[in-house]
Amino acid sequence: SQKIEQNSEALNIQEGKTATLTCNYTNYSPAYLQWYRQDPGRGPVFLLLIRENEKEKRKERLKVTFDTTLKQSLFHITASQPADSATYLCALHGSSNTGKLIFGQGTTLQVKP
Amino acid sequence: DAGVTQSPTHLIKTRGQQVTLRCSPISGHKSVSWYQQVLGQGPQFIFQYYEKEERGRGNFPDRFSARQFPNYSSELNVNALLLGDSALYLCASSFYSSYNSPLHFGNGTRLTVT
Repeated sequence: SQKIEQNSEALNIQEGKTATLTCNYTNYSPAYLQWYRQDPGRGPVFLLLIRENEKEKRKERLKVTFDTTLKQSLFHITASQPADSATYLCALHGSSNTGKLIFGQGTTLQVKP
Repeated sequence: DAGVTQSPTHLIKTRGQQVTLRCSPISGHKSVSWYQQVLGQGPQFIFQYYEKEERGRGNFPDRFSARQFPNYSSELNVNALLLGDSALYLCASSFYSSYNSPLHFGNGTRLTVT
């Protein structure tokens, strides 16, 4: 069955460092992959969408890579700030003709000043 | 512009009861999806509606139903509530129904079943 895995353990880093979060998937050949941020008690907020042929996409301090051979996406936050502390979710589409997304369990990032 | 709004924000129900959750999408968005999020897990897809038609259904029992109205707002109904239905229920809207259309989530309805 289709499976998405993110690091379940929280990631703790120092302010100013680069945070790298991992999303691995199996039994899947998605054409698109999305990353969302979720703060406690709030709904997820869309960050980035990357297509399978883009390999890498950037938005301000964020960078996402998409390796369809490794079946892996990496999400980087450079020059991290305490305000970046949140849970980050990766999501892959479940079927080609709907907007159904299958989410990973999320990785919690804690940036310490 | 107003984002996705959901009501109520919190709800406490007893086992066996029925509940209706409401969602208003972003103006202009015709697709509404519902997700269930259990603590510590990612959101799990329940339904998608586009132009008032069901476009997808997740692996949830028939106790879960939904509909979309002409103004694109939506309701999620859950009958015969179980303790395991306790979760954050998220509504998301998008302009298109396809998988490359980013979702805009509301802040959810926290349902507690006792």
